[in-house]
Amino acid sequence: AQKVTQAQTEISVVEKEDVTLDCVYETRDTTYYLFWYKQPPSGELVFLIRRNSFDEQNEISGRYSWNFQKSTSSFNFTITASQVVDSAVYFCALSVYTQGGSEKLVFGKGTKLTVNP
Amino acid sequence: GAGVSQSPSNKVTEKGKDVELRCDPISGHTALYWYRQRLGQGLEFLIYFQGNSAPDKSGLPSDRFSAERTGESVSTLTIQRTQQEDSAVYLCASSLRGLAGVKQYFGPGTRLTVT
Repeated sequence: AQKVTQAQTEISVVEKEDVTLDCVYETRDTTYYLFWYKQPPSGELVFLIRRNSFDEQNEISGRYSWNFQKSTSSFNFTITASQVVDSAVYFCALSVYTQGGSEKLVFGKGTKLTVNP
Repeated sequence: GAGVSQSPSNKVTEKGKDVELRCDPISGHTALYWYRQRLGQGLEFLIYFQGNSAPDKSGLPSDRFSAERTGESVSTLTIQRTQQEDSAVYLCASSLRGLAGVKQYFGPGTRLTVT
């Protein structure tokens, strides 16, 4: 099966705390891509990062960082010094090939992050 | 530039009626995707269009669902004889090319409620 598991349904933190959102994936492909998207209350998905399966370097972008561990099939996302504006649902996604031969994204169920002032 | 737009933003319909949802992709994007997001769930792939190639319909849940796309522009998703289980947010995404790992840009979605 090709799937993405985000075990944390909801997380609540106080502003300035660090928070890590977990993502575990399963795939039979040797080449694949992993994504994180943010869905604020407005509903529109915002792209955060894409990672190729061959690139295991961790990445940092401002307060955001991602830890890709192929050995444990995990692609975790950490927000440092969280802010109220970070409150949203965060989705991890995996690219897979469909029966029709095209590519689609398989999404986890999302983690709802609430940052309280 | 303009992002992906969808209309209507909200649609309430009675069970058994047909509905049509519209997506305007980013200009120049040859790939277009439809996803469904049920309450509290992740997104489920429905259908994919790439240029003038035959669409990949492998994600459509039943024959009540269909979609069309005119060239590389507007797409419509039609649900016939709607059921309450069809209530969800329908999201459209487009990308520059339908290649592996290409970033998809999402629209705001259409929230469909079937009463």
